[in-house]
Amino acid sequence: DVKVTQSSRYLVKRTGEKVFLECVQDMDHENMFWYRQDPGLGLRLIYFSYDVKMKEKGDIPEGYSVSREKKERFSLILESASTNQTSMYLCASSGDRRTEAFFGQGTRLTVV
Amino acid sequence: AQSVAQPEDQVNVAEGNPLTVKCTYSVSGNPYLFWYVQYPNRGLQFLLKYITGDNLVKGSYGFEAEFNKSQTSFHLKKPSALVSDSALYFCAVRDSPTGGGNKLTFGTGTQLKVEL
Repeated sequence: DVKVTQSSRYLVKRTGEKVFLECVQDMDHENMFWYRQDPGLGLRLIYFSYDVKMKEKGDIPEGYSVSREKKERFSLILESASTNQTSMYLCASSGDRRTEAFFGQGTRLTVV
Repeated sequence: AQSVAQPEDQVNVAEGNPLTVKCTYSVSGNPYLFWYVQYPNRGLQFLLKYITGDNLVKGSYGFEAEFNKSQTSFHLKKPSALVSDSALYFCAVRDSPTGGGNKLTFGTGTQLKVEL
């Protein structure tokens, strides 16, 4: 079975902290994605990566950065967490464009 | 820029009746289209996709979807709904290589509620 694993299911952080969300996939997929999910807004793409060390901004990249040093791992970084970044964060990976993406279980981040 | 619209926040249907969840899209080139389902406190699960070929595609759990290029739509359908189909459904689009980019864009989701 394809597995996309996110390091935490629940996370509580303080305003101003630097936060790392980790995602690992075991299918040798080229593409990896970070989304946030908020009620009524669906899934909004933050960043994606199509190869090691390659990244592209999604629709809402402000306040976030990413790192992809190895093919299997894609990290989302909140440089200075703010309360409006409280959300569910979903990581996904996929092969080429024609293939479906596989999702992790999500990390519910609360910034207090 | 590519986009997906799911015009209904919620769809209610009686068990045993047919269901339709609507999706329209916008891309530069030819679309690759996907449907996903999310059950409470779970990640997204893939249901079906359209890449090329037959406009009617069949997927998991008895779901199917019809690609209509002229209407830029990809509606999800099931002939007979079950209470267990109640969940949040997302439509997604990816542009073909000729359209450029490699983004996977989702709609805002449609909550399906199937009642006895």
